[in-house]
Amino acid sequence: GAGVSQSPSNKVTEKGKDVELRCDPISGHTALYWYRQSLGQGLEFLIYFQGNSAPDKSGLPSDRFSAERTGGSVSTLTIQRTQQEDSAVYLCASSWRPSTGELFFGEGSRLTVL
Amino acid sequence: AQSVTQLDSHVSVSEGTPVLLRCNYSSSYSPSLFWYVQHPNKGLQLLLKYTSAATLVKGINGFEAEFKKSETSFHLTKPSAHMSDAAEYFCVVSALNRDDKIIFGKGTRLHILP
Repeated sequence: GAGVSQSPSNKVTEKGKDVELRCDPISGHTALYWYRQSLGQGLEFLIYFQGNSAPDKSGLPSDRFSAERTGGSVSTLTIQRTQQEDSAVYLCASSWRPSTGELFFGEGSRLTVL
Repeated sequence: AQSVTQLDSHVSVSEGTPVLLRCNYSSSYSPSLFWYVQHPNKGLQLLLKYTSAATLVKGINGFEAEFKKSETSFHLTKPSAHMSDAAEYFCVVSALNRDDKIIFGKGTRLHILP
């Protein structure tokens, strides 16, 4: 596709349920980032994938959060046993490697945990 | 390690007056610095970037930023604000080709008064 695609665009779930958020990066981009944007909190780094290297998971807030990237392309962010504080917009971005530093963002997945 | 601080969470200026959005950074390595803009209900877009070339960087929509190593600053300016500039602005730092982790500031919301 022409840009970074994220799905679902909106997700409402009940506390305790698991959710999966999907990101389809720009074709040819080897770097993929997940960020979380909460109201008034800016962008919080979650995880970074680069090619076949081990991902940088240093931003994941708890072990309920995990992400994988299959075949160096599509990525799935999974949140288990969701809590109300997980409500946020989850943004995916991709870029080339060596990285120019320019990230191309998807529209985000808005998660609401009731 | 890198970090970035945006000194103002909100800035209000009148249309036609200058804009100044402040950003300070810290980095263990020579940093690359960026400004991103996010208009309401829109995705993030790169405004401009500094990657060790000219210290005065020009971006889209008449914005520019100056890298000042002695002050560890990368403030964003525009001579004359327009109503369409109302958005949230993020200062970003990265030590590219080191760990490639791209760190966002908490954002500054720019309000334009008629």
